[in-house]
Amino acid sequence: NAGVTQTPKFQVLKTGQSMTLQCAQDMNHEYMSWYRQDPGMGLRLIHYSVGAGITDQGEVPNGYNVSRSTTEDFPLRLLSAAPSQTSVYFCASSVDAYSNQPQHFGDGTRLSIL
Amino acid sequence: QKEVEQDPGPLSVPEGAIVSLNCTYSNSAFQYFMWYRQYSRKGPELLMYTYSSGNKEDGRFTAQVDKSSKYISLFIRDSQPSDSATYLCAMMTDSWGKFQFGAGTQVVVTP
Repeated sequence: NAGVTQTPKFQVLKTGQSMTLQCAQDMNHEYMSWYRQDPGMGLRLIHYSVGAGITDQGEVPNGYNVSRSTTEDFPLRLLSAAPSQTSVYFCASSVDAYSNQPQHFGDGTRLSIL
Repeated sequence: QKEVEQDPGPLSVPEGAIVSLNCTYSNSAFQYFMWYRQYSRKGPELLMYTYSSGNKEDGRFTAQVDKSSKYISLFIRDSQPSDSATYLCAMMTDSWGKFQFGAGTQVVVTP
């Protein structure tokens, strides 16, 4: 049971570099989302998608891009990394956005920006 | 002010004790309530999922929702050292599946 798979698990970047965090799910879930988790802040929504070809912004979208070309994959792109983006990033998926089912999470990508 | 408030802890209890966790919230539109458990360096894992007010029990875990007071609780009976983790509350309205999380409470169960 793969569930939600995130790669890489760890990454160190220099300020100004770009990179893509990968997320894949094998549950045929329509709804996928990206969160960042910072101490004392809990999980904050970055971007989400209710299906292939449809994405929208969450609470903290600045500095991040997403696309959803397939049901399975939902990559998160950092355009020009900044130290403020040092965080743990979680991808999550749910059956869809309408049946109010809870989300299932990957194990995260720990990102450090120097 | 955050929409969902949760005491960060740490909450330290001896093995076998009851762990009591809670969250308060301000948005009366929240209808679905969840508790997640997160071990160190892992993703959140769904523990309990409830709709509207009332109680739900699953093994050693009991979730309570009091919508009139905007207050939810999670109780863990007969706590074990393996229950040591951070517990996150989460809640959702019924539109577009957007979730709002609490900051998490760290629980330490000592043998």
